[in-house]
Amino acid sequence: EPEVTQTPSHQVTQMGQEVILRCVPISNHLYFYWYRQILGQKVEFLVSFYNNEISEKSEIFDDQFSVERPDGSNFTLKIRSTKLEDSAMYFCASIFASGGSTGELFFGEGSRLTVL
Amino acid sequence: DAKTTQPNSMESNEEEPVHLPCNHSTISGTDYIHWYRQLPSQGPEYVIHGLTSNVNNRMASLAIAEDRKSSTLILHRATLRDAAVYYCILRRGSNYKLTFGKGTLLTVNP
Repeated sequence: EPEVTQTPSHQVTQMGQEVILRCVPISNHLYFYWYRQILGQKVEFLVSFYNNEISEKSEIFDDQFSVERPDGSNFTLKIRSTKLEDSAMYFCASIFASGGSTGELFFGEGSRLTVL
Repeated sequence: DAKTTQPNSMESNEEEPVHLPCNHSTISGTDYIHWYRQLPSQGPEYVIHGLTSNVNNRMASLAIAEDRKSSTLILHRATLRDAAVYYCILRRGSNYKLTFGKGTLLTVNP
């Protein structure tokens, strides 16, 4: 069964450092998402991406965050200067979203980011 | 986004049916009712969705009230692997973004 894959599974970084979280969405999917989940809290929407541009972003997704689809397969989330409060699990998701689609959003297993 | 209300937690016994309720009294005509679940230390996983009619798939059944202001996710025979947080989410039309609430933590007792 096709799946969304994310790397790394866990990253530890120092405050102020840049991190890049990588995702490989399912190959024929068209819409891509990043969500985050701080330990013990809700899953929160960060950003959606379609047709090589951001289609929607939340208030959390400030200038410290950026997304990119550098080639036909990868979808990355960059945090320029990490803060302690960026420590969370980050989930990538994708959906085919066309006629005949079930509307199912496929999530990856997540990348745990720990900022020290 | 229209709001959903779910119990914080529910408990079930293995191999018994589980009925997880969700209230969405402000649902609009273009809102789809989606259910996802999140197993411990994993990403959310699609369970089922519907618009007006009841739906069945290999994982579960979704019963939608006639006025669409509530729905119930039915797990026909709970297993230990079904222990998870279950989220009832309204998704509007062609906007595929999901807004998660706190969900219902389902505990399955052996």
